[in-house]
Amino acid sequence: DQQVKQNSPSLSVQEGRISILNCDYTNSMFDYFLWYKKYPAEGPTFLISISSIKDKNEDGRFTVFLNKSAKHLSLHIVPSQPGDSAVYFCAALDGSSNTGKLIFGQGTTLQVKP
Amino acid sequence: GAGVSQSPRYKVTKRGQDVALRCDPISGHVSLYWYRQALGQGPEFLTYFNYEAQQDKSGLPNDRFSAERPEGSISTLTIQRTEQRDSAMYRCASSLAKWRLAGVGELFFGEGSRLTVL
Repeated sequence: DQQVKQNSPSLSVQEGRISILNCDYTNSMFDYFLWYKKYPAEGPTFLISISSIKDKNEDGRFTVFLNKSAKHLSLHIVPSQPGDSAVYFCAALDGSSNTGKLIFGQGTTLQVKP
Repeated sequence: GAGVSQSPRYKVTKRGQDVALRCDPISGHVSLYWYRQALGQGPEFLTYFNYEAQQDKSGLPNDRFSAERPEGSISTLTIQRTEQRDSAMYRCASSLAKWRLAGVGELFFGEGSRLTVL
């Protein structure tokens, strides 16, 4: 039972264009969402997060949008750069948890072409 | 060290053998997590420690899996009588303070230990 789903295994965009990565979730108890970025042979690194009380959070070229009614969030990267090529994981935190365990999606591989 | 350190980076073992995977978190980090990641999938939660206390082990698949963090620093994940389905990347992550005090997202992952069971 996949509670966090990233339905696009891969995405390819041209340098300078917008990259949009999508994530859907099923558990209404999730109250915090995060995006992690992973380069080959490295561990995932935190990128950006959003609380369920907000619908948008922006950090430089990265913006995360949350649509609670649709149980959907997206990560926008503008403008995309070749160095953004990596695997992106969406993750969610269960608000009823007191241990902070994250539920991850399957990941989307982004390729930004020069 | 500067980051979360895991060893061994690669482990190949025969079915039925026991393996121990080690995690050395960032110095001073209170929270420690173990995740397992299959190829093409995202990390899957295994267990959580707050200092030396194992406060959540709901993700451990069965009783062949165990973890400890006796002095609240280094942690060991042990898999007994390994099976081929145990083959995966095992990732450790740490956080500066107890969850929700540290700031959500401040989870630092190690490079992982790739386990292959033949």
